[in-house]
Amino acid sequence: SQQGEEDPQALSIQEGENATMNCSYKTSINNLQWYRQNSGRGLVHLILIRSNEREKHSGRLRVTLDTSKKSSSLLITASRAADTASYFCATGLSGNTGKLIFGQGTTLQVKP
Amino acid sequence: GAVVSQHPSWVICKSGTSVKIECRSLDFQATTMFWYRQFPKKSLMLMATSNEGSKATYEQGVEKDKFLINHASLTLSTLTVTSAHPEDSSFYICSARDRGRGNTIYFGEGSWLTVV
Repeated sequence: SQQGEEDPQALSIQEGENATMNCSYKTSINNLQWYRQNSGRGLVHLILIRSNEREKHSGRLRVTLDTSKKSSSLLITASRAADTASYFCATGLSGNTGKLIFGQGTTLQVKP
Repeated sequence: GAVVSQHPSWVICKSGTSVKIECRSLDFQATTMFWYRQFPKKSLMLMATSNEGSKATYEQGVEKDKFLINHASLTLSTLTVTSAHPEDSSFYICSARDRGRGNTIYFGEGSWLTVV
């Protein structure tokens, strides 16, 4: 089952611009994670934010989490052509079993 | 380097045959592994939770007799697609939970299955 809704489904921007992707979920979570996937490849883990955290940074990535709204956002600043990929949020449910429920994903295209 | 390895990376099989995909944790013991399926341009769908030494737990709508999961050791889970049909063609990816590293989840590189 998919509990995450992501928007936009597709995003096209110019290099140097910022990209913001949003994710909403339905159930209680232990954590929320963001992954990147290049076409036809495996997943690359980007960042994990726990349910008691509100914001986290990693390099050009900034993730926010609003548990009251059951939503998260991923901001990529100063985007590069190499950032072109699909981005997925995944919620780790309460109990931290390791089971992840993925959102529908956002396809990001960064034009050089 | 990868801490979870999948094999094969890609496989082509004929309709009606069975194909096995392996998921190995390379430097930790994983009592729990997970199998996901991804259709082209779609998201990952959790298929089942693989439990070492016991039966797998399947998500709603996933046929357990179609997708056989065996987790016979602490470092290996296998997914067997039985009597494969072309609609089983998909990207299958596993993950494993490392309790020793704070329940960190590691994903395999994925396996492409094409049924012809």
